[in-house]
Amino acid sequence: EAQVTQNPRYLITVTGKKLTVTCSQNMNHEYMSWYRQDPGLGLRQIYYSMNVEVTDKGDVPEGYKVSRKEKRNFPLILESPSPNQTSLYFCASGSRGRNTEAFFGQGTRLTVV
Amino acid sequence: AQSVAQPEDQVNVAEGNPLTVKCTYSVSGNPYLFWYVQYPNRGLQFLLKYITGDNLVKGSYGFEAEFNKSQTSFHLKKPSALVSDSALYFCAVRDPNFGNEKLTFGTGTRLTIIP
Repeated sequence: EAQVTQNPRYLITVTGKKLTVTCSQNMNHEYMSWYRQDPGLGLRQIYYSMNVEVTDKGDVPEGYKVSRKEKRNFPLILESPSPNQTSLYFCASGSRGRNTEAFFGQGTRLTVV
Repeated sequence: AQSVAQPEDQVNVAEGNPLTVKCTYSVSGNPYLFWYVQYPNRGLQFLLKYITGDNLVKGSYGFEAEFNKSQTSFHLKKPSALVSDSALYFCAVRDPNFGNEKLTFGTGTRLTIIP
């Protein structure tokens, strides 16, 4: 089954404790991206990647890191999480081409206390 | 810069009635437009898209959307609402001339179908 898989689905952590949210897709997509969803703000792009070893900042990259060592994986790293990073996070992937739709993972609800 | 507006945070519709969820956009050229739906505790699911051609686009679950270039709108519609259509709906735009293939999303509209 074609899918984007995120782990974990839920995470509660403390301020400053490094964490990684994993994202994997099995559709051989070139494009992958991370979004955060906050009430009243919709989805905002954090980082994206057009291919292996190619990453770039989205609209809200501060406090986040990503890597793309393999085509299928695109982990999101929070080196020192803060409470304002409490949010619902989505990973997405898609084929190259601006007329193609993106496929989303089921989301990771992160709470930083 | 590309942007999307969903003017209604909440839309309530009686079951069996037609529904409309509004979306307007702003891009520098001809847009690529998308609708996604989010059910509780689920990721976003693609519903339909407008790329070019016929202004009326049909998608999943009986939904359709009409592209109106003069009004820069892409409203989502369904002739007869079901209770199972209750969800959060997002409109998104992609500028075909912009480099990173980013989807820009609206703030979402919560659709509630009343039995």
